Amino acid sequence: DAMVIQNPRYQVTQFGKPVTLSCSQTLNHNVMYWYQQKSSQAPKLLFHYYDKDFNNEADTPDNFQSRRPNTSFCFLDIRSPGLGDAAMYLCATSSLAGTADTQYFGPGTRLTVL
Amino acid sequence: RKEVEQDPGPFNVPEGATVAFNCTYSNSASQSFFWYRQDCRKEPKLLMSVYSSGNEDGRFTAQLNRASQYISLLIRDSKLSDSATYLCVVAGNNRKLIWGLGTSLAVNP
Repeated sequence: DAMVIQNPRYQVTQFGKPVTLSCSQTLNHNVMYWYQQKSSQAPKLLFHYYDKDFNNEADTPDNFQSRRPNTSFCFLDIRSPGLGDAAMYLCATSSLAGTADTQYFGPGTRLTVL
Repeated sequence: RKEVEQDPGPFNVPEGATVAFNCTYSNSASQSFFWYRQDCRKEPKLLMSVYSSGNEDGRFTAQLNRASQYISLLIRDSKLSDSATYLCVVAGNNRKLIWGLGTSLAVNP
């Protein structure tokens, strides 16, 4: 089945220790998104790619970086995680050719910062 | 005013009840509207898109009122498995999704 996959599902890191979260998709969608979601809050968009075009949200901290080496993969790098970065990180995809704006989510990576 | 507003609930209803959620949005230029469902500690999943003419999928009915900038979701014959948070989502012409904070539903036996 076509899907969005995130690895790892759970990530524990130490304060200040860089971490990379990965996302892959078999949907062949042009657009990939990274969201951060904290408890009882709505998902917050960090950045997204239209193909290779990177779009950063104005309020995304510099601590968060992303890479999209090809259509299928997208990475979220947190350079120096702080306690406030503990959250669920959600990857989503959508197709410019498909139903406008419908986004398909991966299962998320739950990040714990010690 | 928040861009997308929902009553956070929680809504506690017995099995078999009918329950309705409402959502208002502030941007009259919004193009697309959705309801997502999110279970505890899981990812959001698309429940249904919302069209001006209203649409129904089994026990779920969604309505859009552009004049009042209002979206609704009706769940009939509630099941225990319907317990979740229901997120109202609106998209503008920049294709970004604006999320409500969600309405929590608990269906009780």
